[in-house]
Amino acid sequence: NAGVTQTPKFQVLKTGQSMTLQCAQDMNHNSMYWYRQDPGMGLRLIYYSASEGTTDKGEVPNGYNVSRLNKREFSLRLESAAPSQTSVYFCASSYSSLGRYNQPQHFGDGTRLSIL
Amino acid sequence: AQTVTQSQPEMSVQEAETVTLSCTYDTSESDYYLFWYKQPPSRQMILVIRQEAYKQQNATENRFSVNFQKAAKSFSLKISDSQLGDAAMYFCAYRNSYNSNSGYALNFGKGTSLLVTP
Repeated sequence: NAGVTQTPKFQVLKTGQSMTLQCAQDMNHNSMYWYRQDPGMGLRLIYYSASEGTTDKGEVPNGYNVSRLNKREFSLRLESAAPSQTSVYFCASSYSSLGRYNQPQHFGDGTRLSIL
Repeated sequence: AQTVTQSQPEMSVQEAETVTLSCTYDTSESDYYLFWYKQPPSRQMILVIRQEAYKQQNATENRFSVNFQKAAKSFSLKISDSQLGDAAMYFCAYRNSYNSNSGYALNFGKGTSLLVTP
């Protein structure tokens, strides 16, 4: 009963380093999302993938790239990490469709990323 | 863009008492969905309750219920018979039917930290 799995759970980087956060879901969801959570803030959308093969920018995309590798996996890459990207990152997934079909998002446990 | 406002950064309730967390939102849409998520210190995001805007009846899940006032764009969460395990950060979230700028993503408020005292 895995749901949404994120790796790693914790990571410390130096400014300028790159890394990829991994996310996989086993619920056959079509939509996947990456959010960041900063102190005193709610979650903010970085990128989303409404369906396999598509990705789009969210509210705070600068400094990030994403890849929807297949229906299950959606990765987030920091090409050149900056201290402003220190945050907790959440991946989420849902089955989404137009019309009155309300399925909630399921979240991973988050990745705490510190950039020195 | 839709905004979600939680005006209470912190709330406190005694065990077994009732507490209400406030949430307002701004939208020009008529069809949308509203959620309350709980985030305990473990950092997990746990769905508490959801409400469809087209439904007039307020959602209820055991000790959790909402007061959905569509005209006022208000969506408050009532927790009855509060328990120590209810202590957490609570986030109100909004979702369009579909948004060309964010797909089916959620817009979150900044959260309310709920403290439960014995």
